[in-house]
Amino acid sequence: GQQVMQIPQYQHVQEGEDFTTYCNSSTTLSNIQWYKQRPGGHPVFLIQLVKSGEVKKQKRLTFQFGEAKKNSSLHITATQTTDVGTYFCAGPKGGGSEKLVFGKGMKLTVNP
Amino acid sequence: DAGITQSPRHKVTETGTPVTLRCHQTENHRYMYWYRQDPGHGLRLIHYSYGVKDTDKGEVSDGYSVSRSKTEDFLLTLESATSSQTSVYFCAVRGEVQAQHFGDGTRLSIL
Repeated sequence: GQQVMQIPQYQHVQEGEDFTTYCNSSTTLSNIQWYKQRPGGHPVFLIQLVKSGEVKKQKRLTFQFGEAKKNSSLHITATQTTDVGTYFCAGPKGGGSEKLVFGKGMKLTVNP
Repeated sequence: DAGITQSPRHKVTETGTPVTLRCHQTENHRYMYWYRQDPGHGLRLIHYSYGVKDTDKGEVSDGYSVSRSKTEDFLLTLESATSSQTSVYFCAVRGEVQAQHFGDGTRLSIL
């Protein structure tokens, strides 16, 4: 079945470092979404990418959708302790849009 | 805040007992979802609803049933709870640009 894979599953960085995490789909996606879940919290929608090669920025976070619309990346610049949490990517299941397939998440910890 | 309330927030129960979790929304969203979240598995869809009395299964629906008799309420029932159903359960609604907005979750422990 359709799968969304995230790498790495865990990332530990020093405060101030940059890093990139990746999301790969087994199928072409009409769009890809990113969510963030703080420890003990619920997933919160961050952004949606729709166009091939699209790049969007939210402050220190840069999101990119691959040219083939099968992968995406999240780059965080100058990581802060407030970035701690688990980041999920998700894509629509099959041809419809009412269901999402979530990756297993990338858990970020930051050493202050 | 997507106006989603989940109840109860925490529950401990025994194997074999029925359990019902409630999701209430105030913004008239058509689509509602129930997920479970377990370490190493991310978010897995249990059931979803695309309107009153219209529901469909997700990838881990065995042992669960749902009902939606009103737009604002989506109920998840474990007919006979098992220890494998110990999890954190999230309700979500679909908002604009197909984004999903989640409730605060219910932590369910089955002993």
